[in-house]
Amino acid sequence: DQQVKQNSPSLSVQEGRISILNCDYTNSMFDYFLWYKKYPAEGPTFLISISSIKDKNEDGRFTVFLNKSAKHLSLHIVPSQPGDSAVYFCAAPLTGNQFYFGTGTSLTVIP
Amino acid sequence: DVKVTQSSRYLVKRTGEKVFLECVQDMDHENMFWYRQDPGLGLRLIYFSYDVKMKEKGDIPEGYSVSREKKERFSLILESASTNQTSMYLCASSLRGSNQPQHFGDGTRLSIL
Repeated sequence: DQQVKQNSPSLSVQEGRISILNCDYTNSMFDYFLWYKKYPAEGPTFLISISSIKDKNEDGRFTVFLNKSAKHLSLHIVPSQPGDSAVYFCAAPLTGNQFYFGTGTSLTVIP
Repeated sequence: DVKVTQSSRYLVKRTGEKVFLECVQDMDHENMFWYRQDPGLGLRLIYFSYDVKMKEKGDIPEGYSVSREKKERFSLILESASTNQTSMYLCASSLRGSNQPQHFGDGTRLSIL
């Protein structure tokens, strides 16, 4: 049973425009969420996180929004750059250490 | 800088072989994890360890075992490899405590023939 879902396997965006990656979750016990970025032939790297006491967290070009009532979070990248082309995973920990990952969205930023 | 090292980038083994995947971290992290990544399924947790000689089953432990004799090293063992264990295997580590980000190695692409 997939507790964290990313329903869009892929996304293409023009350079300079906004990229919006979406993630839905089913478990209302989740209170913290993370986004990871993964390049081919490399492991995922931590990108940004958000606690459930917030509805927005910003770090440079990356902003994560959380809508608890809808059990939905999104990652916005503005402006998108070709180097942002990667697979993005959302994740949520349960019982502190065990993370549940989404299936990933492959972002392609077209120059 | 944080470093998680997996011993092999690519590995080819035969059905029935016993396979060892090794992972070492240099960050003095208490927690270590093994995942497998398959297309359309994302990252699925196989086993994790929160201390030396301690282990917990993840979502898909069948056919696998683990060993953590030293804090920095976490080994994944395929007791008798099968073709359905062909996958990308990722090791990760993190500090103890809630919501600590996990740091990943670059993965081992394992093919079972």
